[in-house]
Amino acid sequence: DAKTTQPTSMDCAEGRAANLPCNHSTISGNEYVYWYRQIHSQGPQYIIHGLKNNETNEMASLIITEDRKSSTLILPHATLRDTAVYYCIGHRLLSQGGSEKLVFGKGTKLTVNP
Amino acid sequence: DVKVTQSSRYLVKRTGEKVFLECVQDMDHENMFWYRQDPGLGLRLIYFSYDVKMKEKGDIPEGYSVSREKKERFSLILESASTNQTSMYLCASRGLSSYNSPLHFGNGTRLTVT
Repeated sequence: DAKTTQPTSMDCAEGRAANLPCNHSTISGNEYVYWYRQIHSQGPQYIIHGLKNNETNEMASLIITEDRKSSTLILPHATLRDTAVYYCIGHRLLSQGGSEKLVFGKGTKLTVNP
Repeated sequence: DVKVTQSSRYLVKRTGEKVFLECVQDMDHENMFWYRQDPGLGLRLIYFSYDVKMKEKGDIPEGYSVSREKKERFSLILESASTNQTSMYLCASRGLSSYNSPLHFGNGTRLTVT
């Protein structure tokens, strides 16, 4: 499983784009980049994932570099409710069973300011 | 939607007690995980399981054991609770998929050992 590195904290103004970086230089070819966020007092929630192409869903966009050593999660118009800890983690899809040790880093504490 | 239910939101136990934290998921997921979360340390993996009666150690298994007698239930056991096991405990599950297999977390059990 890939080791990830993220900044400890970031600030963003409400309504602006929040760009959260993640380094995952040891990611292997069959590991996807997954992003989760944790709002205070709740369990982490899935946001988005990708392998090598950029991805977008209703919550966010994910930009993965061509060498797959880093990625950026983009919240296009951050709101106060996006204040949370954001985690990136590399893991495989489990299409055929088996186990995978999923280890999280400390994540990035994003504060969206009014 | 996948639901991961942790039996207690808050729990207070005395030093030396045997403590059971229960986790149930309703989506027939193969993999289940137990993490603990402490300020400044992020999410740390205690144990995980990829099938009934199967378990693997995470990064901090000392002082804990687990039980998976049924696919939907994964129990974390503190054989003799100590004050340094005061923490937030998070259970998660994930299933087999060829396109997306994110972790689904419960809302956590905040355990205080006095």
